[in-house]
Amino acid sequence: AQKVTQAQTEISVVEKEDVTLDCVYETRDTTYYLFWYKQPPSGELVFLIRRNSFDEQNEISGRYSWNFQKSTSSFNFTITASQVVDSAVYFCALKARASGGYNKLIFGAGTRLAVHP
Amino acid sequence: DTEVTQTPKHLVMGMTNKKSLKCEQHMGHRAMYWYKQKAKKPPELMFVYSYEKLSINESVPSRFSPECPNSSLLNLHLHALQPEDSALYLCASSRERGAGGVRGAFFGQGTRLTVV
Repeated sequence: AQKVTQAQTEISVVEKEDVTLDCVYETRDTTYYLFWYKQPPSGELVFLIRRNSFDEQNEISGRYSWNFQKSTSSFNFTITASQVVDSAVYFCALKARASGGYNKLIFGAGTRLAVHP
Repeated sequence: DTEVTQTPKHLVMGMTNKKSLKCEQHMGHRAMYWYKQKAKKPPELMFVYSYEKLSINESVPSRFSPECPNSSLLNLHLHALQPEDSALYLCASSRERGAGGVRGAFFGQGTRLTVV
């Protein structure tokens, strides 16, 4: 089965706190791609990162960092020193095989992050 | 600025109306997608077009009819919808078929559809 699980439905933090969003995936593919997207109230899905299955190096981009661990099938996302502008719904996604030889994005349920001043 | 443009941003329609959602991208992407997103749910794939041809229909009811007039445009024609079809409809595009490229796909801001 191809599946993405984001167990945290909603997280509420106070500004400047660090917060980690969890993502666990299932796939039979040996080569696969994982993504994180941010969806602000405006609706657009904003790309944050893509990670290949053969590259387990963690990545940091400003206040954002990602921890990819194949051993536990997890791809967690940490925001350091959160800000009110980080308030959004965050989706983890897996590029999975669809019919006809095509691929598609399978999204987790999303985690709604609220950062309060 | 979003690189995938969707119009209208909001739409209210009656169950007997016919309306169309429009999506446009000028990034030279050859794959375009329609997703449906219900409130507090993740996006769900509806259709995939690759090189202007319908490649995937995820068992979507016929009251939703997609059209790809050219490589830059994607339409979704709506007819005889039900109130449960109210949702955010997202258009996306990618460099190649099937969520290709570094970003997986570029998404528009969506059309918030309300069926009354």
